[in-house]
Amino acid sequence: DAGVTQSPTHLIKTRGQQVTLRCSPISGHKSVSWYQQVLGQGPQFIFQYYEKEERGRGNFPDRFSARQFPNYSSELNVNALLLGDSALYLCASSRNRGSTNEKLFFGSGTQLSVL
Amino acid sequence: DQQVKQNSPSLSVQEGRISILNCDYTNSMFDYFLWYKKYPAEGPTFLISISSIKDKNEDGRFTVFLNKSAKHLSLHIVPSQPGDSAVYFCAASDAAGNKLTFGGGTRVLVKP
Repeated sequence: DAGVTQSPTHLIKTRGQQVTLRCSPISGHKSVSWYQQVLGQGPQFIFQYYEKEERGRGNFPDRFSARQFPNYSSELNVNALLLGDSALYLCASSRNRGSTNEKLFFGSGTQLSVL
Repeated sequence: DQQVKQNSPSLSVQEGRISILNCDYTNSMFDYFLWYKKYPAEGPTFLISISSIKDKNEDGRFTVFLNKSAKHLSLHIVPSQPGDSAVYFCAASDAAGNKLTFGGGTRVLVKP
């Protein structure tokens, strides 16, 4: 079975532009979460989606938005890019909503560079 | 406000010896703890976890210890192997379970 897949793997944008990152979860997984990892830090939670609804949101500005599709894939959108948005964006999937004792499985990430 | 902290940014150990990675947390609502391992250009890979109702969980060369009163957990790797060289992240979740809170990571180098 394929793991979590993310596209693109690398992306270069300029300040003010908009970007869309894509994620396909493991087959059978209904929950997708997005994390931002800045160099030298641990991943920071951005969103969780389950059954196409937002179930959790981290401390990120409204420039960040996401959605989940009927096939459980997901997109993360970031508008009006800032230099500080440069990071590795990780997608993770889990089978259920994420009750206690549920592991997340991560993709390899999209490396976004904002110039 | 870092709720999960890994105070050692790096660790160097000889092959065959024990690696001990530490993690502290402040949120008493956390009840499930995980360790992830990350190689360059890859996403974090799940390693081992522990529920707050336990104080130890073992899986092969990896053992995680939890001290709830001290809000501290540790990961022991023994014996350490060169392939264990990676960044290790401690993470925690609460009963809502909809997000993981990660520490800043510890870079482990296992020397042959």
